[in-house]
Amino acid sequence: DAKTTQPPSMDCAEGRAANLPCNHSTISGNEYVYWYRQIHSQGPQYIIHGLKNNETNEMASLIITEDRKSSTLILPHATLRDTAVYYCIVRGRNVNTDKLIFGTGTRLQVFP
Amino acid sequence: EAQVTQNPRYLITVTGKKLTVTCSQNMNHEYMSWYRQDPGLGLRQIYYSMNVEVTDKGDVPEGYKVSRKEKRNFPLILESPSPNQTSLYFCASSPPGQPYNEQFFGPGTRLTVL
Repeated sequence: DAKTTQPPSMDCAEGRAANLPCNHSTISGNEYVYWYRQIHSQGPQYIIHGLKNNETNEMASLIITEDRKSSTLILPHATLRDTAVYYCIVRGRNVNTDKLIFGTGTRLQVFP
Repeated sequence: EAQVTQNPRYLITVTGKKLTVTCSQNMNHEYMSWYRQDPGLGLRQIYYSMNVEVTDKGDVPEGYKVSRKEKRNFPLILESPSPNQTSLYFCASSPPGQPYNEQFFGPGTRLTVL
């Protein structure tokens, strides 16, 4: 699975959009981009995933560049409860294991 | 409510005293796994199971055992715990047949081995 690079920390004002970048320059054609987050020391929570098209769900939007070497997770109206560590994970199709490889992520602090 | 449960949530024990951390999911997921999380090292997979009676080692299996006798349960066994197994443990499950599906994580078990 390709490696990802994320900034260690970011701040965002409550109510504003939080844009979390992720670089994955070695991603291959059949690898998806996943985002999870971990609030304090709770279990990680799935947010969204995509292959090459932009994706949106009730939690967030995922923008993947045309060359697929980077992506941005967008939380449109950040709240204090969005304060968490956000993990960008690139994952290929492996029928033998569903392992997620978590990096160090981005610690997002939402302030009032 | 669809969920993954773990017990106990917190445990302090002594070196060498066998313990079991239970994990149960009510979503009929075939795939289950265990991770440990340590500062600076992120989450690392310990063991996983693709289905009942099928288990395999992850990245850090030493000192751990698992069993999968029924689909909903996937206990993690530490036969002789040591201080380097002090960690935050997470169980996870995901639906069958599609490697891309989201994984559902339990709330975590914080283990301290003295």
